[in-house]
Amino acid sequence: SYELTQPLSVSVALGQTARITCGGNNIGSKNVHWYQQKPGQAPVLVIYRDSNRPSGIPERFSGSNSGNTATLTISRAQAGDEADYYCQVWDSSTVVVFGGGTKLTVL
Amino acid sequence: EVQLVESGGVVVQPGGSLRLSCAASGFTFDDYAMHWVRQAPGKGLEWVSLISWDGGSTYYADSVKGRFTISRDNSKNSLYLQMNSLRAEDTALYYCAKDPSSGGTAPRFDYWGQGTLVTVSS
Repeated sequence: SYELTQPLSVSVALGQTARITCGGNNIGSKNVHWYQQKPGQAPVLVIYRDSNRPSGIPERFSGSNSGNTATLTISRAQAGDEADYYCQVWDSSTVVVFGGGTKLTVL
Repeated sequence: EVQLVESGGVVVQPGGSLRLSCAASGFTFDDYAMHWVRQAPGKGLEWVSLISWDGGSTYYADSVKGRFTISRDNSKNSLYLQMNSLRAEDTALYYCAKDPSSGGTAPRFDYWGQGTLVTVSS
């Protein structure tokens, strides 16, 4: 079955750029989606199909995907960006696969 | 405004059964595939099941295959999850989530409910 690997935690200074990675075998050939989940809340889609932002998501959120790594980039990080972030792909054998999640801390 | 409201979560004994419901509003329900996704306490997201717009196609995670059944009633704008032979490891917050496509062939989740808590314990 297909697996996605995310770092458990990422820290970023206020106003700086955070990068959260999602590793998978040849993930660059798949469409990657990213979700933000704040404590006690449901997840929210922040990036779909590698690099597209749903309406209402700030331009500070961007994504890329190549080779074996997809990356969610959060520019000018704010305290309100502190959350867990999950990557997700479709796989023909497993249907839906989530990464284990990354806790973003804004210092 | 899209709204998804789950219900039916309770405390149930191992081996027991439960049916979850999700009431949808704010969009044309029978145009879209729907999913159930769960999250064990303090853990990450785990996809559970997918149903196409017309109920003609269903898919399950290996962890629930043969025990859970997803269904929908488009006349009632409702999604369901019948859960049988429940185990302690099924304890989780269960989310109903909308797919932006009709068949769920390249699934993602553009709207989520707030979840309903299922606890399996004796």
